Amino acid sequence: DVKVTQSSRYLVKRTGEKVFLECVQDMDHENMFWYRQDPGLGLRLIYFSYDVKMKEKGDIPEGYSVSREKKERFSLILESASTNQTSMYLCASTPLTPIQETQYFGPGTRLLVL
Amino acid sequence: AQSVTQLGSHVSVSEGALVLLRCNYSSSVPPYLFWYVQYPNQGLQLLLKYTSAATLVKGINGFEAEFKKSETSFHLTKPSAHMSDAAEYFCAVGFGNEKLTFGTGTRLTIIP
Repeated sequence: DVKVTQSSRYLVKRTGEKVFLECVQDMDHENMFWYRQDPGLGLRLIYFSYDVKMKEKGDIPEGYSVSREKKERFSLILESASTNQTSMYLCASTPLTPIQETQYFGPGTRLLVL
Repeated sequence: AQSVTQLGSHVSVSEGALVLLRCNYSSSVPPYLFWYVQYPNQGLQLLLKYTSAATLVKGINGFEAEFKKSETSFHLTKPSAHMSDAAEYFCAVGFGNEKLTFGTGTRLTIIP
């Protein structure tokens, strides 16, 4: 079975801190994604990556950056956390073939920015 | 641009009753359609997907969905609700690139 893990289930940070959210998948998937999930808004795509060192902006990239130095690892970075970034963050991965493939999700990281 | 609409942010059904969760999409080309489920404190997992094969798609846990092109719909149904079906359900649509567009979700509550 595909396994997608996220480094933390819960995080509490202060405004202005730099925050790293890590995601690792073990199935050699090319595509990886970061979403944020907010009540009433569903899932919104922040960034995705289709290969090592490649990244593309999603629908809400402002205030975020990403890093993919290894195929299995995709990091989301909040350069200077703000309270409006309090949310649930979900990582997902999928094989190279495009949209019709299942996305496999991690358990999520619930981030609280004080 | 692709979009997906889930009607009803909260749905309550009695145990044993029919579950119907609605999803409509907008598209000028044939879409790929998915239903995902999220149990409390977990990530999303795939329930079922439509990828231009049979229009009636069967998924896990007794769920199914029917693609109706004329109605641009992909509603999720289950004949008899179980307490374990309580979760949030997301419809998603894609059009041949890597990005999915998710709906805003429907929280399903099962009444004993």
